[in-house]
Amino acid sequence: GAGVSQSPSNKVTEKGKDVELRCDPISGHTALYWYRQSLGQGLEFLIYFQGNSAPDKSGLPSDRFSAERTGGSVSTLTIQRTQQEDSAVYLCASSFTGRSSYNEQFFGPGTRLTVL
Amino acid sequence: EDQVTQSPEALRLQEGESSSLNCSYTVSGLRGLFWYRQDPGKGPEFLFTLYSAGEEKEKERLKATLTKKESFLHITAPKPEDSATYLCAVREGSGNTPLVFGKGTRLSVIA
Repeated sequence: GAGVSQSPSNKVTEKGKDVELRCDPISGHTALYWYRQSLGQGLEFLIYFQGNSAPDKSGLPSDRFSAERTGGSVSTLTIQRTQQEDSAVYLCASSFTGRSSYNEQFFGPGTRLTVL
Repeated sequence: EDQVTQSPEALRLQEGESSSLNCSYTVSGLRGLFWYRQDPGKGPEFLFTLYSAGEEKEKERLKATLTKKESFLHITAPKPEDSATYLCAVREGSGNTPLVFGKGTRLSVIA
């Protein structure tokens, strides 16, 4: 079946521009996560959605970062006024909401963002 | 202090040379430990979930084990195609709370 998809796969932008990253989760998965992976670093949690609401936004690094999810499906991560330190791979994952705690997250291929 | 620490950072093995990767964690109420494999330029691929101390899971040449403080990923007779970064993650809260990841172990298997 179809996995998690993300677009674009690569994005090069100039400092100060806004970017939008898209995630399409696995059909039927109600939980959706955004992580960021910088060179040499582990995956850093950004935000988590359960349905269309975001119970945990604690990982968003600044108010330039925002995300939304509509229809319990597609999510968009927006970065305003991009800075060079925003350069990273942005990963999206989704999971089924079933037995508590033990739901594996399945990842998309990521969007590589480069801010010049 | 990191909640999840993986060692070594990098490991180079000859084909057929078995070894183990370590993941130690400090979360108090573990609600699942997860192993992923990540190939360059790709997203992490789910391998195993371990729930309680003493549990073991196997898949091909990989076996994951869990104690109260750490997990091991044992690789038996590795092949070059096992070369990848292996990520460990833990969940502390209930429900679908986010995972906390270690920085990974970069494994290279040389033919």
